[in-house]
Amino acid sequence: EIVLTQSPGTLSLSPGERATLSCRASQSVSSSHLAWYQQKPGQAPRLLIYGASSRATGIPDRFSGSGSGTDFTLTISRLEPEDFAVYYCQHYGTSSWTFGQGTKVEIK
Amino acid sequence: QVQLVESGGGVVQPGRSLRLSCAASEFLFSTFGMHWVRQAPGKRLEWVAYIRFDGSEKYYADSVKGRFTISRDNSKNTLYLQMNSLRAEDTAVYYCARDRITGTTRYFDYWGQGTLVTVSS
Repeated sequence: EIVLTQSPGTLSLSPGERATLSCRASQSVSSSHLAWYQQKPGQAPRLLIYGASSRATGIPDRFSGSGSGTDFTLTISRLEPEDFAVYYCQHYGTSSWTFGQGTKVEIK
Repeated sequence: QVQLVESGGGVVQPGRSLRLSCAASEFLFSTFGMHWVRQAPGKRLEWVAYIRFDGSEKYYADSVKGRFTISRDNSKNTLYLQMNSLRAEDTAVYYCARDRITGTTRYFDYWGQGTLVTVSS
């Protein structure tokens, strides 16, 4: 089973700054099956990015995804107050799905 | 707007059973695969189970295999999760989510708000 490791665990930044979140897979995976989700306290996750780099409907263009093989990145170009949340990467494998442990983006 | 509404959560003793429901609306439920995903307090998301649009394929996480059963009733636009032999470690918020396949990509595009299951004596 593929393990996804996200780093850092917590990212402390100010509004307007750039956020770079990492997701590393334990073995090479298809970028088609890599997605990112945002979760705010008390809310359900929301799809941000699918296929490693495609933005979901309604997601602002300050969010971007990149990567291939074992290393994937979610970038938020300029943090807005509503972007402070926990972010999860997810992989679809054969008949199973796995999530990373999450990166919390907090206000510095 | 796609809606997924979970229900059926509550407090249950270890070893007992519980059935969760997820009512779907504003999309053609019978054409989409569906998932259950859970999140223990303060923990990461954990995928639990998947069912194909027609119920012909079902997959489970190892942590629930043999204890949980996913099913659906397309005539009622409803997804179910039958949870038996519950353990304390099954305590979590349970979400239903829609499976979306676009070309070669695959992801969960809509999620319900979740229902809390607490397993405690």
